[in-house]
Amino acid sequence: QKEVEQNSGPLSVPEGAIASLNCTYSDRVSQSFFWYRQYSGKSPELIMSIYSNGDKEDGRFTAQLNKASQYVSLLIRDSQPSDSATYLCAVNRYCGGSNYKLTFGKGTLLTVNP
Amino acid sequence: DAGVTQSPTHLIKTRGQHVTLRCSPISGHKSVSWYQQVLGQGPQFIFQYYEKEERGRGNFPDRFSARQFPNYSSELNVNALLLGDSALYLCASSYRLAGGDAEQFFGPGTRLTVL
Repeated sequence: QKEVEQNSGPLSVPEGAIASLNCTYSDRVSQSFFWYRQYSGKSPELIMSIYSNGDKEDGRFTAQLNKASQYVSLLIRDSQPSDSATYLCAVNRYCGGSNYKLTFGKGTLLTVNP
Repeated sequence: DAGVTQSPTHLIKTRGQHVTLRCSPISGHKSVSWYQQVLGQGPQFIFQYYEKEERGRGNFPDRFSARQFPNYSSELNVNALLLGDSALYLCASSYRLAGGDAEQFFGPGTRLTVL
C-alpha cells in the first residue's frame, strides 16, 4: 500500500461546480495534513492545512479530515478556470525522535472548463 | 516579505558531473527541506535540516548530500550525475522543525537536466 494515495484523475468539472479531491494515507499515527496546488511548470503552493477531525473552511476551499478512516479531502466550491492545476495531498509522517517527513501523493490534475 | 529563493533556476549538466543547488529560506525560518520532483509524480523527500543539523534523510543514494549554514541557507550537492537525476529540485522552509503542525513553503525550484 502506498503511503499517500490520491484519486488518479484527471478530474474535469464545469465552471461553477464543486470539485472534490480525495486522499488516503497508510500511517495511522500521522498528525498533520496539507493540500498544495501546483500549476504547470511551477512549484507547489500551500493552500490548506488540517490537523483535527472535521472540516476546515477557507474561502472557496474546504478540507475534511477523518483520521479513523485515514482519509483527507479537499472541496473547491464555485470552481474557476484559474483553479485548473495539479493538487497534491501531503502527510507529515513521524520518523522517530523529533523528526518528521512530509510525504506527497502523486497529485490529481483538475481542469475547470469555462 | 521575500519567499524561499533558489538558484540557479535552470541547469544543464552531463553525466558524471557534479552540481550544487542553493536555497535561502523565508526570513526567520530555521528548517530547510529538499525534495526531488520528476514529471507526473509528487515531490520526494531528500533531506531535512534544522539548526544546521541533518534531521531526516529520504531514500536517496550517497551521491546526494546537503548542508545548512549559520544563516539557515542550504546547499544540495549531487555527485556523479545520472540521467535519472533530471528533475525539478525543490527547497522548502518552515519556521521550526517540520514536525507536528509545521507548514512548509516551497521555493520556485531548480530545473536540472542531465544529458
